[in-house]
Amino acid sequence: EIVLTQSPGTLSLSPGERATLSCRASQSFSRSYLAWYQQKPGQAPRLLIYGASSRATGIPDRFSGSGSGTDFTLTISRLDPEDFAVYYCQQYGAFGQGTKLEIK
Amino acid sequence: EVQLVQSGAEVKKPGESLKISCKGSGYSFTTYWIGWVRQMPGKGLQWMGIIYPGDSETRYTPSFQGQVTISADNSISTAYLHWSSLKASDTAMYYCARLSSRYEDAFDIWGQGTMVTVSS
Repeated sequence: EIVLTQSPGTLSLSPGERATLSCRASQSFSRSYLAWYQQKPGQAPRLLIYGASSRATGIPDRFSGSGSGTDFTLTISRLDPEDFAVYYCQQYGAFGQGTKLEIK
Repeated sequence: EVQLVQSGAEVKKPGESLKISCKGSGYSFTTYWIGWVRQMPGKGLQWMGIIYPGDSETRYTPSFQGQVTISADNSISTAYLHWSSLKASDTAMYYCARLSSRYEDAFDIWGQGTMVTVSS
């Protein structure tokens, strides 16, 4: 059973800054089927990134994903006030525990 | 519009049974896996299991195997999550979501969630 570990648990930044979120998988897969989601309070998660680096429909280009094997990264180039939320990574069968992005 | 619409909030007592639903529309229901995801209060997302409505193949993660039953009724494009005997620890928000091969096994469409509260 795959385990995804996200870091940091909480990230405190200001609007306009760059955010870097990490996700490490307990095992490597030949295909980088890694997705990232954003969840705001009281809402269902929203797909941001799939296939490790492809943006889902309608996602702003300030969101980017990278990585392969067991190490993956979600980068938000310039934080907008609406970006402060909880972010989860996901591979088949599991989610990471989440990173809370909060306003500093 | 592609959407998943879930049944409403439930309040149950320990030991009672419950089935919640997730109705798909705007796409071919039988050709996409549907997953169920648990979110306990203040906690993260947990992958429970998935079903392929086309042939009813079902896969559970070990933590949920034997604890819940996932099913589907293609005639009404609806997936279900069933408990035979609820526990207080089943109190959570439950989401259904569509697993898309186009998006490389990511959940691209989500239901609005069903809050289940189990309390004596």
